[in-house]
Amino acid sequence: GDSVTQMEGPVTLSEEAFLTINCTYTATGYPSLFWYVQYPGEGLQLLLKATKADDKGSNKGFEATYRKETTSFHLEKGSVQVSDSAVYFCALRDLNSGNTPLVFGKGTRLSVIA
Amino acid sequence: DSGVTQTPKHLITATGQRVTLRCSPRSGDLSVYWYQQSLDQGLQFLIQYYNGEERAKGNILERFSAQQFPDLHSELNLSSLELGDSALYFCASSRTSGSTGELFFGEGSRLTVL
Repeated sequence: GDSVTQMEGPVTLSEEAFLTINCTYTATGYPSLFWYVQYPGEGLQLLLKATKADDKGSNKGFEATYRKETTSFHLEKGSVQVSDSAVYFCALRDLNSGNTPLVFGKGTRLSVIA
Repeated sequence: DSGVTQTPKHLITATGQRVTLRCSPRSGDLSVYWYQQSLDQGLQFLIQYYNGEERAKGNILERFSAQQFPDLHSELNLSSLELGDSALYFCASSRTSGSTGELFFGEGSRLTVL
């Protein structure tokens, strides 16, 4: 079945450092790709998405590009802030297979220190 | 605010007991999804309903059941509770036509089984 693999955390960075969280996927179809973020004590929020190859999703300074050739959707941010401390989940959903659920990676915890 | 409402936010109960978690999807969303988030298992898809009918089933135990009512709210019933059922249970909803695939999550119901 479809699956998502993302880098294990935790990741600890200093404020203004560059962030990369790797995400690769396996899918039989042609999925849409997502990054969700979970701040402490809260639910999951959609951070960004991409629905086809070479699409770049972006939001709040975060970016990720849908790379079909490498089956990857790495999350990047040029300068992290303390407020970015959260757990980040990469996910996929194959809409061509009907109204299917999201498949999540295990999550990567990011801690940003001042 | 995602528009998805879950109650209760916190629930503490004893082993062997039964609880019901409730979810109201975003206005207009016909699909409801239930996920379990535990420390060791990450985000696990449990079950999906679409307009009152079960659409997909994931890693849901036989002790667990769910339903979606005509007003589209959903309930997740957990019975014969065990210590290992302690987790955060999320409900999510999604649109059908015109959707780019994202799910919108509630803030979760934290279940503690003592």
